[in-house]
Amino acid sequence: GAVVSQHPSWVICKSGTSVKIECRSLDFQATTMFWYRQFPKQSLMLMATSNEGSKATYEQGVEKDKFLINHASLTLSTLTVTSAHPEDSSFYICSARASRTSYNEQFFGPGTRLTVL
Amino acid sequence: GNSVTQMEGPVTLSEEAFLTINCTYTATGYPSLFWYVQYPGEGLQLLLKATKADDKGSNKGFEATYRKETTSFHLEKGSVQVSDSAVYFCALQTGANNLFFGTGTRLTVIP
Repeated sequence: GAVVSQHPSWVICKSGTSVKIECRSLDFQATTMFWYRQFPKQSLMLMATSNEGSKATYEQGVEKDKFLINHASLTLSTLTVTSAHPEDSSFYICSARASRTSYNEQFFGPGTRLTVL
Repeated sequence: GNSVTQMEGPVTLSEEAFLTINCTYTATGYPSLFWYVQYPGEGLQLLLKATKADDKGSNKGFEATYRKETTSFHLEKGSVQVSDSAVYFCALQTGANNLFFGTGTRLTVIP
């Protein structure tokens, strides 16, 4: 199946710093990428949807100035957590949808665990 | 609104035991229903899906039937293996984009 990678797999940072997480589709072109957040023992919550070459669409309650999403190419999307605080500590998961699938299957990355001290 | 309620885990079974993980949903319209599996250190993978009422999705010995009358999509497997140990997520999708996930159920199969 299609492969999506995320980098880094885990990161620890100090409060107030910014962290960038990369999501790459390795063997297909993704016109749409999704960013999810997962708290312990909770479901994945969609944060935003990004289409290549255009601005991301954020879900209600997600601060677009805090969670900057860039989808500059068909194989790369980045999520930057700006001025991170301990409450931003979470598991961030991206997914990508291939451009020519006949159904809307999303392929998921392995996730990035962010810990803000 | 849309939501998925999934049986809480963790679930521990002996090898060759029968597995059921319950999933019920609330949705506007007619959703597609999915089961995803996440093996340790890997991303979520689509396990099976069903797109309309009474459809049965199946893969790798797992099955789930889309029951509109009970708004359910329970996952079953007749004989689990150690390699089935993973976290299982039930999900629904309406329209072209959003997936709504359950909280996930961790399954551990012991030899």
